[in-house]
Amino acid sequence: GENVEQHPSTLSVQEGDSAVIKCTYSDSASNYFPWYKQELGKRPQLIIDIRSNVGEKKDQRIAVTLNKTAKHFSLHITETQPEDSAVYFCAASKNGGTSYGKLTFGQGTILTVHP
Amino acid sequence: SAVISQKPSRDICQRGTSLTIQCQVDSQVTMMFWYRQQPGQSLTLIATANQGSEATYESGFVIDKFPISRPNLTFSTLTVSNMSPEDSSIYLCSVQKGRTGGLDTQYFGPGTRLTVL
Repeated sequence: GENVEQHPSTLSVQEGDSAVIKCTYSDSASNYFPWYKQELGKRPQLIIDIRSNVGEKKDQRIAVTLNKTAKHFSLHITETQPEDSAVYFCAASKNGGTSYGKLTFGQGTILTVHP
Repeated sequence: SAVISQKPSRDICQRGTSLTIQCQVDSQVTMMFWYRQQPGQSLTLIATANQGSEATYESGFVIDKFPISRPNLTFSTLTVSNMSPEDSSIYLCSVQKGRTGGLDTQYFGPGTRLTVL
């Protein structure tokens, strides 16, 4: 089955700096890659996603890049703010055939933004 | 998006008992899933809840331990049976309106925090 590796496990940055979280996946048939933000005691919230027919997607301060050949994708947060502090999870799924929506999650990255 | 509610939000149970968790969505959705998040860990898919038929379980999860129902397109239940302290986790349902083409975005319910003594 699919395996998703996420790095780093913890990331500490100063407010205003950029943060980058990287994930690799094993199944070349995976075609959907969402990123979720989970604050303490809250549900995971989708912040951005990318599909395999696109190499990059941006939404204000957040961007995701996908390299299908290397089977890795990354989350980029610019101009970080203290409210960006949370646990971030990447995930991968393969929508097609008999498989829909089965998200395989990375291990998570605890991001801390210091004021 | 979709408005998803879960009941109960939390519970403390004795070992050997069972707990049924409900997931309700405000609109019809194609796909519903159940995930487990152990303390400080990532999310692991338990099963896909299939409307009108038996759920599809992932490796390591079995129907006798985690029976699932999905009577319609807006509601599902997950039962954690014969509980042990190792079952202490957050259980989350998630929904997906469609299967592909932008409808495959998955949204999560608020979760049910289960503690087994």
